[in-house]
Amino acid sequence: GAVVSQHPSRVICKSGTSVKIECRSLDFQATTMFWYRQFPKQSLMLMATSNEGSKATYEQGVEKDKFLINHASLTLSTLTVTSAHPEDSSFYICSARGLAGGTQQETQYFGPGTRLLVL
Amino acid sequence: GQNIDQPTEMTATEGAIVQINCTYQTSGFNGLFWYQQHAGEAPTFLSYNVLDGLEEKGRFSSFLSRSKGYSYLLLKELQMKDSASYLCAGMDSNYQLIWGAGTKLIIKP
Repeated sequence: GAVVSQHPSRVICKSGTSVKIECRSLDFQATTMFWYRQFPKQSLMLMATSNEGSKATYEQGVEKDKFLINHASLTLSTLTVTSAHPEDSSFYICSARGLAGGTQQETQYFGPGTRLLVL
Repeated sequence: GQNIDQPTEMTATEGAIVQINCTYQTSGFNGLFWYQQHAGEAPTFLSYNVLDGLEEKGRFSSFLSRSKGYSYLLLKELQMKDSASYLCAGMDSNYQLIWGAGTKLIIKP
């Protein structure tokens, strides 16, 4: 299956620092990338959708100045959590949509996630 | 509005068969996805249906009825490693995925 990598897998930082998370589609070009957040035992929550070369579309309630998204190429998107606080501690998962593995239908594939702990 | 409904939790026995149902209402429809998510991990893609009928992939099959707004995921020969949450997601006319809350499947020996 298609591979989406995410780095780092785990990060612990002090309150007030910024954290950058990278998401890469390794074997296909992603027309669109998505960023999700998931708190323990809760559903995935879509934070934002981004298309290569254009500004991300943020979901209601997600602060775009706090969660900076850059989608520089068809294989790379980054999420920067600026001035992180303990309430930002969560599991952040990226997802990339594209044609992979010779399929004819665009499918959405997930990265392995980044666990962020803000002290 | 858009909505995906699936049971919160199901329990089944190792070696048995279980069917997880999902009903959907989306603005336009571009397919129905099923994902598996183990605790503490990201979801992994299981299946995609856009036409009516049953798609079989090994022990897992997925069914779609567009007229009824209904899908199910069928898991056969259940194994302990199948214990996970199963997420149903409908793709709307903007190609956005609308997610269900997930069904936690518990497999007992």
